[in-house]
Amino acid sequence: EVQLVESGGGLVQPGGSLRLSCAASGFTISTYWMHWVRQTPGMGLVWVSRIKSDGSSTSYADSVKGRFTISRDNAKNTLYLQMNSLRAEDTAVYYCARGQGGYSNSWNDNWGQGTLVTVSS
Amino acid sequence: DIVMTQSPDSLAVSLGERATITCKSSQSVLYSSNNKDYLAWYQQKPGQPPNLLIYWASTRESGVPDRFSGSGSGTDFTLTISSLQAEDVAVYYCQQYYSTPITFGQGTRLEIK
Repeated sequence: EVQLVESGGGLVQPGGSLRLSCAASGFTISTYWMHWVRQTPGMGLVWVSRIKSDGSSTSYADSVKGRFTISRDNAKNTLYLQMNSLRAEDTAVYYCARGQGGYSNSWNDNWGQGTLVTVSS
Repeated sequence: DIVMTQSPDSLAVSLGERATITCKSSQSVLYSSNNKDYLAWYQQKPGQPPNLLIYWASTRESGVPDRFSGSGSGTDFTLTISSLQAEDVAVYYCQQYYSTPITFGQGTRLEIK
């Protein structure tokens, strides 16, 4: 069974940093593009970032570019999101999601349960 | 960025009746080289992550009941639930994956009338 389990969320002050992790099981992430998507409580879904299967290519939403860094450790079957210079507007549930079909741009066929990041003083 | 606009924002339908949600993209998401529409639909129930229903605008994900169907091409798309069941109460999102940033519609809340 495919599973994605996020961790690392919590309460952080504005300007602070957090690193989110997404541990995968039931499949090998090394053959998939992986994504981070966030959702503000009560609001919609916003794509944050993606990374190629071998880590050689990354993309970011403009709102996080220069502050967030996506990475992966295929040997550990784990995806990461390093979040620096956090702002109140980064408060959200962060989901990791698997891309499909080997495409750089694809739908997301499996999602984790999410981890809540709260940026507040 | 491609803006995805869903309508309506909320919808109440009687059990067993048809529910229709539309999604319009600000530019075409049809890729001419493979004639595929880069459009997906998701269902999200309270406290749960999104669940993939449809990709390539009309291909049903494995395990999704056949009462769910997707149609449309270019900039105009529709998700149809042919006979609403109680377990279909959720928020539904469309997503374009034609170009980055990947973008989602604002969501349509579906309730029982």
